[in-house]
Amino acid sequence: EPEVTQTPSHQVTQMGQEVILRCVPISNHLYFYWYRQILGQKVEFLVSFYNNEISEKSEIFDDQFSVERPDGSNFTLKIRSTKLEDSAMYFCASRAGGGNQPQHFGDGTRLSIL
Amino acid sequence: QKEVEQDPGPLSVPEGAIVSLNCTYSNSAFQYFMWYRQYSRKGPELLMYTYSSGNKEDGRFTAQVDKSSKYISLFIRDSQPSDSATYLCAMSVDGGFKTIFGAGTRLFVKA
Repeated sequence: EPEVTQTPSHQVTQMGQEVILRCVPISNHLYFYWYRQILGQKVEFLVSFYNNEISEKSEIFDDQFSVERPDGSNFTLKIRSTKLEDSAMYFCASRAGGGNQPQHFGDGTRLSIL
Repeated sequence: QKEVEQDPGPLSVPEGAIVSLNCTYSNSAFQYFMWYRQYSRKGPELLMYTYSSGNKEDGRFTAQVDKSSKYISLFIRDSQPSDSATYLCAMSVDGGFKTIFGAGTRLFVKA
Protein backbone atom coordinates (compact mmCIF):
# COMPACT_ATOMS: atom_id res chain seq x y z
CA GLU A 1 0.00 0.00 0.00
CA PRO A 2 1.41 3.43 -0.90
CA GLU A 3 2.51 5.52 2.04
CA VAL A 4 3.76 8.95 3.00
CA THR A 5 7.44 8.87 3.95
CA GLN A 6 9.24 11.42 6.10
CA THR A 7 12.91 12.05 6.71
CA PRO A 8 14.73 12.24 8.99
CA SER A 9 12.92 10.31 11.71
CA HIS A 10 14.71 12.38 14.35
CA GLN A 11 16.37 15.78 13.94
CA VAL A 12 18.38 17.48 16.67
CA THR A 13 19.15 21.16 16.10
CA GLN A 14 20.60 24.03 18.07
CA MET A 15 18.23 26.87 18.91
CA GLY A 16 18.36 29.59 16.26
CA GLN A 17 19.39 27.24 13.48
CA GLU A 18 17.38 26.55 10.36
CA VAL A 19 15.88 23.11 9.83
CA ILE A 20 14.23 21.48 6.84
CA LEU A 21 11.88 18.55 7.28
CA ARG A 22 11.23 16.43 4.23
CA CYS A 23 8.24 14.45 3.05
CA VAL A 24 7.46 12.32 0.04
CA PRO A 25 3.67 12.25 -0.32
CA ILE A 26 1.76 9.45 -2.01
CA SER A 27 2.51 9.79 -5.71
CA ASN A 28 -0.87 10.66 -7.20
CA HIS A 29 -1.98 12.91 -4.35
CA LEU A 30 -2.62 16.59 -4.93
CA TYR A 31 -3.14 18.09 -1.46
CA PHE A 32 -0.33 18.27 1.10
CA TYR A 33 -0.30 19.16 4.77
CA TRP A 34 1.92 19.67 7.77
CA TYR A 35 0.77 19.06 11.32
CA ARG A 36 2.57 19.34 14.65
CA GLN A 37 2.19 17.33 17.85
CA ILE A 38 3.93 18.57 20.96
CA LEU A 39 4.65 15.72 23.38
CA GLY A 40 1.48 14.77 25.25
CA GLN A 41 -0.69 17.20 23.32
CA LYS A 42 -3.05 16.94 20.37
CA VAL A 43 -2.21 16.99 16.69
CA GLU A 44 -2.38 20.59 15.43
CA PHE A 45 -2.85 21.78 11.87
CA LEU A 46 -0.06 23.98 10.48
CA VAL A 47 -0.62 24.42 6.76
CA SER A 48 -2.24 22.97 3.65
CA PHE A 49 -0.76 23.23 0.15
CA TYR A 50 -2.45 22.75 -3.20
CA ASN A 51 -1.56 23.68 -6.75
CA ASN A 52 1.84 25.02 -5.65
CA GLU A 53 0.51 27.46 -3.13
CA ILE A 54 -0.61 27.61 0.48
CA SER A 55 -4.38 27.14 0.65
CA GLU A 56 -4.79 27.54 4.40
CA LYS A 57 -2.55 28.08 7.44
CA SER A 58 -3.02 28.26 11.17
CA GLU A 59 -1.90 30.96 13.56
CA ILE A 60 1.03 28.68 14.51
CA PHE A 61 2.39 28.96 10.96
CA ASP A 62 4.07 32.34 11.32
CA ASP A 63 6.83 33.99 9.30
CA GLN A 64 9.51 31.58 10.55
CA PHE A 65 7.78 28.71 8.73
CA SER A 66 7.68 28.07 5.00
CA VAL A 67 6.71 25.18 2.76
CA GLU A 68 7.86 24.21 -0.68
CA ARG A 69 7.35 21.54 -3.26
CA PRO A 70 10.75 21.80 -4.98
CA ASP A 71 10.14 18.98 -7.44
CA GLY A 72 7.42 16.51 -8.39
CA SER A 73 7.89 14.28 -5.39
CA ASN A 74 9.11 16.16 -2.30
CA PHE A 75 7.26 18.47 0.06
CA THR A 76 9.30 20.34 2.66
CA LEU A 77 8.74 22.35 5.81
CA LYS A 78 11.42 24.90 6.71
CA ILE A 79 11.74 26.52 10.11
CA ARG A 80 14.04 29.49 9.74
CA SER A 81 15.21 30.24 13.26
CA THR A 82 14.22 27.45 15.60
CA LYS A 83 13.01 28.04 19.14
CA LEU A 84 12.85 25.65 22.08
CA GLU A 85 9.06 25.53 21.76
CA ASP A 86 9.38 24.19 18.20
CA SER A 87 10.36 20.83 19.69
CA ALA A 88 7.60 18.44 18.60
CA MET A 89 6.66 15.67 16.20
CA TYR A 90 5.97 17.04 12.75
CA PHE A 91 3.65 15.02 10.55
CA CYS A 92 3.22 15.32 6.82
CA ALA A 93 -0.04 14.20 5.21
CA SER A 94 -1.35 13.97 1.68
CA ARG A 95 -4.72 13.52 0.05
CA ALA A 96 -5.92 12.53 -3.38
CA GLY A 97 -7.83 14.96 -5.57
CA GLY A 98 -11.58 14.98 -5.89
CA GLY A 99 -14.10 15.33 -3.13
CA ASN A 100 -14.54 13.07 -0.15
CA GLN A 101 -10.96 11.77 0.17
CA PRO A 102 -9.18 11.34 3.53
CA GLN A 103 -5.71 12.50 4.51
CA HIS A 104 -2.98 9.90 4.94
CA PHE A 105 -0.16 10.58 7.38
CA GLY A 106 3.52 9.75 7.54
CA ASP A 107 5.21 8.55 10.72
CA GLY A 108 6.61 11.95 11.50
CA THR A 109 9.91 13.64 12.23
CA ARG A 110 10.76 14.19 15.86
CA LEU A 111 12.37 17.62 16.11
CA SER A 112 14.43 18.32 19.22
CA ILE A 113 15.71 21.86 19.75
CA LEU A 114 18.60 22.23 22.19
CA GLN B 1 -15.44 25.98 24.33
CA LYS B 2 -12.97 23.80 22.43
CA GLU B 3 -13.84 23.00 18.83
CA VAL B 4 -13.43 19.26 19.43
CA GLU B 5 -13.65 17.60 22.84
CA GLN B 6 -12.41 14.08 23.51
CA ASP B 7 -11.87 12.36 26.84
CA PRO B 8 -8.14 11.48 27.02
CA GLY B 9 -8.78 8.42 29.21
CA PRO B 10 -7.02 6.13 29.76
CA LEU B 11 -9.66 3.53 29.04
CA SER B 12 -8.83 -0.02 30.11
CA VAL B 13 -10.97 -2.98 28.98
CA PRO B 14 -10.60 -6.77 28.95
CA GLU B 15 -9.98 -8.60 25.70
CA GLY B 16 -13.21 -9.27 23.82
CA ALA B 17 -15.04 -6.23 25.23
CA ILE B 18 -16.94 -3.73 23.12
CA VAL B 19 -15.21 -0.37 23.25
CA SER B 20 -17.03 2.93 22.80
CA LEU B 21 -15.03 6.08 22.03
CA ASN B 22 -16.66 9.47 21.64
CA CYS B 23 -16.12 13.07 20.64
CA THR B 24 -18.26 16.17 20.76
CA TYR B 25 -17.74 19.27 18.68
CA SER B 26 -19.02 22.82 18.52
CA ASN B 27 -18.64 23.82 14.87
CA SER B 28 -21.84 22.87 13.02
CA ALA B 29 -20.03 23.39 9.69
CA PHE B 30 -18.00 20.19 10.12
CA GLN B 31 -19.07 17.66 7.49
CA TYR B 32 -16.20 15.14 7.31
CA PHE B 33 -15.47 12.97 10.32
CA MET B 34 -12.48 10.68 10.80
CA TRP B 35 -11.11 8.27 13.33
CA TYR B 36 -7.38 7.66 13.40
CA ARG B 37 -5.37 5.19 15.46
CA GLN B 38 -1.94 6.25 16.69
CA TYR B 39 0.65 3.94 18.16
CA SER B 40 3.49 5.38 20.22
CA ARG B 41 5.94 7.41 18.11
CA LYS B 42 4.03 6.68 14.90
CA GLY B 43 1.79 8.77 12.67
CA PRO B 44 -2.00 8.70 12.76
CA GLU B 45 -3.39 5.77 10.80
CA LEU B 46 -6.82 6.26 9.22
CA LEU B 47 -9.46 3.86 10.51
CA MET B 48 -12.79 5.35 9.45
CA TYR B 49 -13.88 8.24 7.25
CA THR B 50 -17.49 9.38 7.07
CA TYR B 51 -19.33 12.24 5.47
CA SER B 52 -22.28 13.88 7.22
CA SER B 53 -24.54 11.88 9.54
CA GLY B 54 -25.08 8.14 9.76
CA ASN B 55 -23.27 4.90 10.45
CA LYS B 56 -20.37 3.21 8.72
CA GLU B 57 -19.06 -0.26 9.45
CA ASP B 58 -15.70 -1.80 8.56
CA GLY B 59 -14.91 -5.16 10.10
CA ARG B 60 -14.85 -4.80 13.88
CA PHE B 61 -15.16 -1.01 13.68
CA THR B 62 -18.36 1.06 13.48
CA ALA B 63 -18.40 4.84 13.22
CA GLN B 64 -21.49 6.86 14.04
CA VAL B 65 -22.13 10.53 13.39
CA ASP B 66 -25.01 12.47 14.91
CA LYS B 67 -24.80 15.98 13.53
CA SER B 68 -27.91 17.14 15.36
CA SER B 69 -26.15 16.42 18.68
CA LYS B 70 -22.68 17.26 17.39
CA TYR B 71 -21.51 13.87 18.61
CA ILE B 72 -19.46 11.14 16.96
CA SER B 73 -18.61 7.65 18.15
CA LEU B 74 -16.33 4.77 17.29
CA PHE B 75 -17.23 1.26 18.42
CA ILE B 76 -14.71 -1.56 18.46
CA ARG B 77 -16.16 -5.06 18.76
CA ASP B 78 -14.24 -8.05 20.09
CA SER B 79 -11.36 -5.83 21.18
CA GLN B 80 -7.84 -7.28 21.01
CA PRO B 81 -4.61 -6.38 22.83
CA SER B 82 -3.33 -5.14 19.46
CA ASP B 83 -6.07 -2.48 19.55
CA SER B 84 -4.20 -0.83 22.44
CA ALA B 85 -3.33 2.62 21.07
CA THR B 86 -4.47 6.22 21.14
CA TYR B 87 -7.62 6.89 19.13
CA LEU B 88 -8.00 10.32 17.60
CA CYS B 89 -11.21 11.78 16.31
CA ALA B 90 -10.80 14.40 13.61
CA MET B 91 -13.10 16.53 11.52
CA SER B 92 -13.09 19.13 8.80
CA VAL B 93 -15.46 21.50 7.12
CA ASP B 94 -14.73 20.74 3.50
CA GLY B 95 -12.52 17.66 3.52
CA GLY B 96 -9.75 19.33 1.59
CA PHE B 97 -8.07 21.61 4.01
CA LYS B 98 -7.73 22.09 7.72
CA THR B 99 -8.52 19.08 9.90
CA ILE B 100 -9.14 19.58 13.61
CA PHE B 101 -8.17 16.76 15.96
CA GLY B 102 -9.41 15.77 19.37
CA ALA B 103 -6.92 15.20 22.16
CA GLY B 104 -7.04 11.42 21.66
CA THR B 105 -8.21 8.63 23.98
CA ARG B 106 -5.64 6.12 25.22
CA LEU B 107 -7.06 2.61 25.07
CA PHE B 108 -5.59 -0.43 26.81
CA VAL B 109 -6.99 -3.86 26.02
CA LYS B 110 -5.87 -6.44 28.57
CA ALA B 111 -5.31 -10.06 27.55
